[in-house]
Amino acid sequence: DQQVKQNSPSLSVQEGRISILNCDYTNSMFDYFLWYKKYPAEGPTFLISISSIKDKNEDGRFTVFLNKSAKHLSLHIVPSQPGDSAVYFCAAKLIGNEKLTFGTGTRLTIIP
Amino acid sequence: GAVVSQHPSRVICKSGTSVKIECRSLDFQATTMFWYRQFPKKSLMLMATSNEGSKATYEQGVEKDKFLINHASLTLSTLTVTSAHPEDSSFYICSALQGANEKLFFGSGTQLSVL
Repeated sequence: DQQVKQNSPSLSVQEGRISILNCDYTNSMFDYFLWYKKYPAEGPTFLISISSIKDKNEDGRFTVFLNKSAKHLSLHIVPSQPGDSAVYFCAAKLIGNEKLTFGTGTRLTIIP
Repeated sequence: GAVVSQHPSRVICKSGTSVKIECRSLDFQATTMFWYRQFPKKSLMLMATSNEGSKATYEQGVEKDKFLINHASLTLSTLTVTSAHPEDSSFYICSALQGANEKLFFGSGTQLSVL
């Protein structure tokens, strides 16, 4: 039972444009969401997170939007840069519980 | 940022042998570490939670006698895949929880190939 889903396995975006990565979840108990970036042969690195009490969190070029009613979150990267090419995982957890449930990942390719 | 070292990065072994993977937090103490497994094009699946000085907590469906976890110190957790079989071939990643701010830092992963 995949509680966190990333339905797009891959995405290609022109350099300088906006990249939008989507994530859906089914467990309404999740109250904290995170995005990780992963390069080949490396572990995931934390990008940005959002608590369920917010609907938007911004950090530089990265913005995460949360729509609780739709159980949907998205990561916006603008402007996209070649170094953003990686696999992006969204993850969800319960506050106070360290366990993360990951999505299947979306491979983002930025085209120069 | 904090660093988690995972070793080896790649291992090829014969069926029936045991393989040990180490996960070290280099610049912080981690009372809690996690072990994940990732199959191609699949999500990272949590295998077990490792707490320093106590027995690991395994997720449903993960054989504790197959995947031995030891967290003997605040900076080291090991995962031993015992009597490995080809179906154990996978990418294994550890993560360590930095207690002060509850941030999670990942190792670089180990690609296990069992022949």
